[in-house]
Amino acid sequence: SQTIHQWPATLVQPVGSPLSLECTVEGTSNPNLYWYRQAAGRGLQLLFYSIGIGQISSEVPQNLSASRPQDRQFILSSKKLLLSDSGFYLCAWTSTGLAKNIQYFGAGTRLSVL
Amino acid sequence: GEDVEQSLFLSVREGDSSVINCTYTDSSSTYLYWYKQEPGAGLQLLTYIFSNMDMKQDQRLTVLLNKKDKHLSLRIADTQTGDSAIYFCAERRSGNTGKLIFGQGTTLQVKP
Repeated sequence: SQTIHQWPATLVQPVGSPLSLECTVEGTSNPNLYWYRQAAGRGLQLLFYSIGIGQISSEVPQNLSASRPQDRQFILSSKKLLLSDSGFYLCAWTSTGLAKNIQYFGAGTRLSVL
Repeated sequence: GEDVEQSLFLSVREGDSSVINCTYTDSSSTYLYWYKQEPGAGLQLLTYIFSNMDMKQDQRLTVLLNKKDKHLSLRIADTQTGDSAIYFCAERRSGNTGKLIFGQGTTLQVKP
């Protein structure tokens, strides 16, 4: 069966420090991958998506970047965090096969920038 | 507009039915979804409906779709305290990237 892992679960970082959040999917190949951010009391905002290795599309201009070094690995990064980067970050995947219309989410990373 | 809209809060008594409403934006959206988020957790897919359907029932959950008005609702029968959570509706826009557009979420409070 397919599973999605995100880590770390919680992270507290000072302003100006770098960031690396990792997401991996198991049990499938060539998934579409997504990074969302959920600010406190708000809905989900799509940040990046990827339909293949090395292919990244950015939805909103921001202080963050994403990379997909392997088929089932999606990384969210920043060189220098801002206070406004605080939030709950969620990774998600969809199959490109018959179940391509279903999007599954990881457990999320809660990032606090202080 | 560009936003998927939901009311922010709903409070019901245990055993009552809950109805959570959503208005989406893109008439060409192919699938519409309901996700549940418990505190501190990721999103759990509850159910989804294809745009050519009017209704889908799955145990205590009933989804109604009014495509003309771009209105989606989720009815939870016999609401339990374990149903307390935030409920998100989402639409899948046309195209093959699979991007979902989410509403802000409705917080459902179930009182014993």
